[in-house]
Amino acid sequence: GDSVTQMEGPVTLSEEAFLTINCTYTATGYPSLFWYVQYPGEGLQLLLKATKADDKGSNKGFEATYRKETTSFHLEKGSVQVSDSAVYFCALSPNNQGGKLIFGQGTELSVKP
Amino acid sequence: GAVVSQHPSWVICKSGTSVKIECRSLDFQATTMFWYRQFPKQSLMLMATSNEGSKATYEQGVEKDKFLINHASLTLSTLTVTSAHPEDSSFYICSASGAYGSYEQYFGPGTRLTVT
Repeated sequence: GDSVTQMEGPVTLSEEAFLTINCTYTATGYPSLFWYVQYPGEGLQLLLKATKADDKGSNKGFEATYRKETTSFHLEKGSVQVSDSAVYFCALSPNNQGGKLIFGQGTELSVKP
Repeated sequence: GAVVSQHPSWVICKSGTSVKIECRSLDFQATTMFWYRQFPKQSLMLMATSNEGSKATYEQGVEKDKFLINHASLTLSTLTVTSAHPEDSSFYICSASGAYGSYEQYFGPGTRLTVT
């Protein structure tokens, strides 16, 4: 079945460091891909998405490119801030399944000043 | 816009009792609502999908007689954990879609259930 695998955390970085969180997926057809963020004590929020191959999603300095050839959707940010500390979830939505989401296991990011 | 609330935010109940969790879309009509379970440091596991006025569709391995889902209106879905046991202790999250005519899911803040 469809699945999402993302790099294990926790990831600890210093402020202004470069961030990459790897995400790969297995799916039939052409799913949509998402990154969600969960700040401490809050619900999941959509960070960015891409709906077709080679699309780049971006928001708040974060970017991810839908790579069909490598079945990947890695999250990147050039310079992280302490306020980016959160848990990040990669997810896919299979085609024609009414918006159902399949999540990766989440990666906890801690940014130190 | 597109705000989803859950109530209660946390609940403690005794083993063998039932507990109901509410999920509301506050500013849009949710054609579909989803219920997830999240274990500590783990991913969200989809439990069931419900459409307003229809029976919920449960994922494989989820006991539908234990986790009763009702989606009686376009702004309210409830999850009732019946005859709760300590292993049901978890973080339950709902989401709703249908805002702006899209499939995008908007998530509630979650409910922490502890069964003693």
